Amino acid sequence: DGGITQSPKYLFRKEGQNVTLSCEQNLNHDAMYWYRQDPGQGLRLIYYSQIVNDFQKGDIAEGYSVSREKKESFPLTVTSAQKNPTAFYLCASKGGRTSESTDTQYFGPGTRLTVL
Amino acid sequence: RKEVEQDPGPFNVPEGATVAFNCTYSNSASQSFFWYRQDCRKEPKLLMSVYSSGNEDGRFTAQLNRASQYISLLIRDSKLSDSATYLCVVNKNNDMRFGAGTRLTVKP
Repeated sequence: DGGITQSPKYLFRKEGQNVTLSCEQNLNHDAMYWYRQDPGQGLRLIYYSQIVNDFQKGDIAEGYSVSREKKESFPLTVTSAQKNPTAFYLCASKGGRTSESTDTQYFGPGTRLTVL
Repeated sequence: RKEVEQDPGPFNVPEGATVAFNCTYSNSASQSFFWYRQDCRKEPKLLMSVYSSGNEDGRFTAQLNRASQYISLLIRDSKLSDSATYLCVVNKNNDMRFGAGTRLTVKP
């Protein structure tokens, strides 16, 4: 089945540790995204990538890093510089060229990160 | 000003009611628009795209007004299963931005 996978579903880390969240898609989508969602709030864009080896900062990129070495994979590292890392992290992908504006975005099931 | 703003909600309505959500966006060059639904502790899922001519999918109707930079979602004959958070999404060149969402609770 085609889709987006994120692992693990729940992740616990000690304060001061870097942690990398996995996101893989087999939809052959060019664009991939990372969002953060805090309780009772909407999604805030951390980073997105439109093509392999390229990515752009979103609204809240500080304390995070990403890589896009393969089309299928867009891992997110939450570094110790991120002051409030506990949140629900959602990865998404989107197909089509930028001019194909009706292409929709599909989400993975998310990873709940808790920093103790 | 936020790029995408929605009614703060929450909306609490009885079954069978009609409810409307509004959304405004700040970037006039935005290219495409969507409504997503998010259930508690789940990922968002596409409800419908929004076209300039307006579009309908069963009990759901979406409208777009580019001149006013305004998007709406109308839900008719609300069901208990419509209870969720509804997210307005705006796209420009694959930069997808979400509103904060409006929580809907449909009660018996």
